[in-house]
Amino acid sequence: NAGVMQNPRHLVRRRGQEARLRCSPMKGHSHVYWYRQLPEEGLKFMVYLQKENIIDESGMPKERFSAEFPKEGPSILRIQQVVRGDSAAYFCASSLPGSEQFFGPGTRLTVL
Amino acid sequence: QQQVKQSPQSLIVQKGGISIINCAYENTAFDYFPWYQQFPGKGPALLIAIRPDVSEKKEGRFTISFNKSAKQFSLHIMDSQPGDSATYFCAARNSGYALNFGKGTSLLVTP
Repeated sequence: NAGVMQNPRHLVRRRGQEARLRCSPMKGHSHVYWYRQLPEEGLKFMVYLQKENIIDESGMPKERFSAEFPKEGPSILRIQQVVRGDSAAYFCASSLPGSEQFFGPGTRLTVL
Repeated sequence: QQQVKQSPQSLIVQKGGISIINCAYENTAFDYFPWYQQFPGKGPALLIAIRPDVSEKKEGRFTISFNKSAKQFSLHIMDSQPGDSATYFCAARNSGYALNFGKGTSLLVTP
């Protein structure tokens, strides 16, 4: 009965590198959400995806950030040319349609 | 802008006491109000949730009180225990899906 899985749990990148964060939803869940948590802040919604579709990316920065949820495999949050301000915890959640969101353990990104 | 305002930022309660965390919102379209508990290094876990058609919901030692006219809701933890020490987030969602979180309350329950 695996919950939402995220990897890696910790990721260190130098400025200008790319970061790829992976999220495997709970079994049977076809809806995935990404949130970002800055230190001392609550979680901020970034993007909502269903299989092969981006439903709402209104919380995503306009540049350098992208997300996908392919037909097969995990959802990927990709950050190109990372900057120090991207350092945060990134959480993925999954749900059944219109139902409760279950969160993964997060990926803590540190940009040097 | 912060759509859900949460207070206090931190809270220290003695074992056996009552912990109270408050949240306020502005968007009257919100129709789902969950509370999440987060331990260090972990993701948030749903604790209890309420919809605006009821004024109170209780699950074990955890109670949500909801005041629709004041646009406020609060979490009460009765008989607080050291194991309750964590960060608590309130959130709100409209008929869509994006959860709007408060900034969190760090709760410490002392023995």
